[in-house]
Amino acid sequence: GAGVSQSPRYKVAKRGQDVALRCDPISGHVSLFWYQQALGQGPEFLTYFQNEAQLDKSGLPSDRFFAERPEGSVSTLKIQRTQQEDSAVYLCASSPQVYYGYTFGSGTRLTVV
Amino acid sequence: QKEVEQNSGPLSVPEGAIASLNCTYSDRGSQSFFWYRQYSGKSPELIMSIYSNGDKEDGRFTAQLNKASQYVSLLIRDSQPSDSATYLCAVNIDYGGSQGNLIFGKGTKLSVKP
Repeated sequence: GAGVSQSPRYKVAKRGQDVALRCDPISGHVSLFWYQQALGQGPEFLTYFQNEAQLDKSGLPSDRFFAERPEGSVSTLKIQRTQQEDSAVYLCASSPQVYYGYTFGSGTRLTVV
Repeated sequence: QKEVEQNSGPLSVPEGAIASLNCTYSDRGSQSFFWYRQYSGKSPELIMSIYSNGDKEDGRFTAQLNKASQYVSLLIRDSQPSDSATYLCAVNIDYGGSQGNLIFGKGTKLSVKP
């Protein structure tokens, strides 16, 4: 597609609920990244895929967070048993190669109540 | 801990002036440097990349890199009210297993007054 597409745009979850956030990167972009951005802060790295391989998941804050990209295109970030501190904007970005700048999607704003 | 530091601002400049945004980074192994612009409620948008020491110009924007001082800056000439946004500095940290990970600063909020 023309850009990075993320869905849903907004998600309200009750504490303890599981959520799944979807990212559809730019066609042909091999690198895909997930970031978490709290209000007034810069994006914080969560995880990185090169095609279907998850090369770095060091930024995932706990084992409640899980990401996958099984066919090397669409990716899903799953958060189990959501907690209030998970409330943030989750940004997906893709890049044609490493060391290139990213193109970000519009993000998913998650609010846990 | 790999760090990217920016003044949070706000930085206020009059319309038509030069806005100067600064960023320092901690990892001497960093290879790629980027500036993103983020309007309120929107996602970051790449505006400049720089990979070697010196200046790189693109329209009203100039990125400057000094690897010896671990310093990167962004100059915006003839600032316009539409330039009012948060500017994020991002640095590629290459530590073997993950070569694509960008570390972002917290951003500098720029306000251009008409």
